[in-house]
Amino acid sequence: EVQLLESGGGLVQPGGSLRLSCAASGFNFSSYVMSWVRQAPGKGLEWVSGFSGSGGRTYYADSAEGRFTISRDNSKNTLYLRMNSLRAEDTAVYYCAKGYYDNIDTPFDYWGQGTLVTVSS
Amino acid sequence: SFELTQPPSVSVSPGQTASITCSGDKLGNKYVSWFQQKPGQSPVLVIFQDSKRPSGIPERFSGSNSGNTATLTISGTQAMDEADYYCQAWDSSTAVVFGGGTKLTVL
Repeated sequence: EVQLLESGGGLVQPGGSLRLSCAASGFNFSSYVMSWVRQAPGKGLEWVSGFSGSGGRTYYADSAEGRFTISRDNSKNTLYLRMNSLRAEDTAVYYCAKGYYDNIDTPFDYWGQGTLVTVSS
Repeated sequence: SFELTQPPSVSVSPGQTASITCSGDKLGNKYVSWFQQKPGQSPVLVIFQDSKRPSGIPERFSGSNSGNTATLTISGTQAMDEADYYCQAWDSSTAVVFGGGTKLTVL
């Protein structure tokens, strides 16, 4: 059974940093694209960043470019998102999502339960 | 940048057919996925590659994509289908894009 378990969310002040983690199990982690998707309170889904499985390529939304860094440790089956210079508009539930195949244009066939990040003073 | 446009809300009577549209420039040239999200839950993939259903998704969910519009169709809509629905596609300039979401009400 595929499982994705996010952690690391919490309350952080504007300008602060946070690192999210997503522990994966139930599939060959290194063979699939993994992404972070966020959802601000009462709003829609917004893709944040993606990381290919085997090719090592990373992709970012304009809103994340230069402030967020996605990484993965295939030996630990874990995906990360380092978020710096956080702003109030980064407040959201952050979901970890598994790609259906190992290409950035993949649909997302499994999602974690999400971790809430709140940026506020 | 590439954008996907959905109607904010759609209403349907139980047992009837619901259609939710998703519009974007030359969308028919791209693969579209659809996600269902119920309150307090994570999104669930219901359609991928325009018209394919993942295992476990009921046959009443179907999809199509042509021209500038993709459509999610729910036949024989049930109360349990009431949810927010999001379309998603990939564009070479914008990467992964989601539509704004459509709230489906079954009344």
